[in-house]
Amino acid sequence: NAGVTQTPKFQVLKTGQSMTLQCAQDMNHNSMYWYRQDPGMGLRLIYYSASEGTTDKGEVPNGYNVSRLNKREFSLRLESAAPSQTSVYFCASNRQPSNTGELFFGEGSRLTVL
Amino acid sequence: DQQVKQNSPSLSVQEGRISILNCDYTNSMFDYFLWYKKYPAEGPTFLISISSIKDKNEDGRFTVFLNKSAKHLSLHIVPSQPGDSAVYFCAAASSNDYKLSFGAGTTVTVRA
Repeated sequence: NAGVTQTPKFQVLKTGQSMTLQCAQDMNHNSMYWYRQDPGMGLRLIYYSASEGTTDKGEVPNGYNVSRLNKREFSLRLESAAPSQTSVYFCASNRQPSNTGELFFGEGSRLTVL
Repeated sequence: DQQVKQNSPSLSVQEGRISILNCDYTNSMFDYFLWYKKYPAEGPTFLISISSIKDKNEDGRFTVFLNKSAKHLSLHIVPSQPGDSAVYFCAAASSNDYKLSFGAGTTVTVRA
């Protein structure tokens, strides 16, 4: 059982380049999330999708776009990468409504912007 | 401004002893609290949770305590084992939307 799968695991970009982080889950969850993790900041929510066809901004959405392609897949796009977007990105999913709030995370994608 | 704060970036404890991790929150709408554990190069994994209707929840070696009046929760690990060495994140949410807000994390090192 794969759970939440993210690609790529590592990426180096130059300032101004664009890229898309892919995420897929096989747990039939309706809600999906993108977080970034930075030292001393914990995990901060970038965007989320409560259900297929909907997306909403989280705490730090600037510089990012998302697409909920179908129930399984939720992608995060950087149109013009900046050094401030150097981070580890985590995709997560869960079933809502939930009586636990528990999220299931992917292994992360480490992005470096030069 | 962070709504969930873990003021201790690191904690070192001897194997077999108790680890106590602390977490404070500011948003009075939060009524559900979780702890996640993260190993290097892996995603966070769920450890234990507590809702605001309780003040204690226990799961094996892990116990979470909630003090609503102080907006404070803690995670106790007894006894601590080498495999517990990891980063622990505190998270909180409102049952209205379950969007989790995370603390900065505490790195626990268990010494043999």
